[in-house]
Amino acid sequence: RKEVEQDPGPFNVPEGATVAFNCTYSNSASQSFFWYRQDCRKEPKLLMSVYSSGNEDGRFTAQLNRASQYISLLIRDSKLSDSATYLCVVYGSSNTGKLIFGQGTTLQVKP
Amino acid sequence: NAGVTQTPKFQVLKTGQSMTLQCAQDMNHEYMSWYRQDPGMGLRLIHYSVGAGITDQGEVPNGYNVSRSTTEDFPLRLLSAAPSQTSVYFCASTPWDREGEAFFGQGTRLTVV
Repeated sequence: RKEVEQDPGPFNVPEGATVAFNCTYSNSASQSFFWYRQDCRKEPKLLMSVYSSGNEDGRFTAQLNRASQYISLLIRDSKLSDSATYLCVVYGSSNTGKLIFGQGTTLQVKP
Repeated sequence: NAGVTQTPKFQVLKTGQSMTLQCAQDMNHEYMSWYRQDPGMGLRLIHYSVGAGITDQGEVPNGYNVSRSTTEDFPLRLLSAAPSQTSVYFCASTPWDREGEAFFGQGTRLTVV
């Protein structure tokens, strides 16, 4: 079983739609969680951190459920520019800089 | 401020050849890592370093060597290239006080024929 699992999609949605991505992780001792965004043939970039209390950044909301070892990302009012691959990331071990990536979920927003 | 710079951007190697992928960062970050990305596999950690002179293996280290003689540079060496090493390679640096915030280079697309 992979340490971080995501549904690879693709998710095809119309502009203005709300879309949710889910991610599960296997190591219950994991401390930190993140969503990264990767555009086609580009490097990944940090989108947002994920906190137990949930956090919101504009149209993006991230949630963490430690009991179920489950992370989610909600995108409201999708824009064409949101088309990308979204990577669920777990911080593996403290003081190492080691990140464990899910395989990514591809989102295609259509006009 | 260039961030993380990787060279080359593209490379074709013949099986058995060796080469070094360069990675340099100018942000004075303590942590640096190398990942490879294959279709459907996400990014997998090859080697990482928590500071100059200290390196360790990640998930898929076989066939690769690294060294970290300075804070800025973290080269990745392919010892004897194999077709299975055809991939996109990303170098990343991370500040010690924001451990999840990795800054990636633009990647090196390597093909081994």
